Amino acid sequence: NAGVMQNPRHLVRRRGQEARLRCSPMKGHSHVYWYRQLPEEGLKFMVYLQKENIIDESGMPKERFSAEFPKEGPSILRIQQVVRGDSAAYFCASSPSLGSSTDTQYFGPGTRLTVL
Amino acid sequence: QKEVEQDPGPLSVPEGAIVSLNCTYSNSAFQYFMWYRQYSRKGPELLMYTYSSGNKEDGRFTAQVDKSSKYISLFIRDSQPSDSATYLCAMSRPNTDKLIFGTGTRLQVFP
Repeated sequence: NAGVMQNPRHLVRRRGQEARLRCSPMKGHSHVYWYRQLPEEGLKFMVYLQKENIIDESGMPKERFSAEFPKEGPSILRIQQVVRGDSAAYFCASSPSLGSSTDTQYFGPGTRLTVL
Repeated sequence: QKEVEQDPGPLSVPEGAIVSLNCTYSNSAFQYFMWYRQYSRKGPELLMYTYSSGNKEDGRFTAQVDKSSKYISLFIRDSQPSDSATYLCAMSRPNTDKLIFGTGTRLQVFP
């Protein structure tokens, strides 16, 4: 019973390049959340998606960041024209059915992005 | 002021000690409370989930919620070196799915 999968686990990019982070939710889960963890800080919510829909993107920076969860395939968090301040661990979580507050979120191992 | 406050530690205790980890929060709308454990360079792992006020016990772990004081706690009995990790509290409001996390408390249990 595979958990939430994220790849790559480590990603190095130079300033100005694009970063693509992928997340496959747990089997049977249709709700995906992305969080960012900066050094010495807690996790900060970025975006909540269901298949083909963005439900809540209140934590997403206004520029350069986008997310999708297509009908087929993993969820993608895309960061265009990366800057050093984007260096962080990005975690994906998934929850089972209706995405209510009573559904717990299960986290993946994270992608550690380093921007040179 | 942050919505959720958590002492970053580090907290260092001997094996077998009782550990108390705490978070305070400012928003009385929070109804769902969670504790996650995060080992170094790993993803958070859900330990405890509680709704509203009261206690919940699971093995060596007990979670307490005091909504009147806006204060939640996690107790670890008979702590083990394998409990050494960062413990994150998280909470959410009804009808919203985003979790609000504390900054985490780093715990070290030495043999």
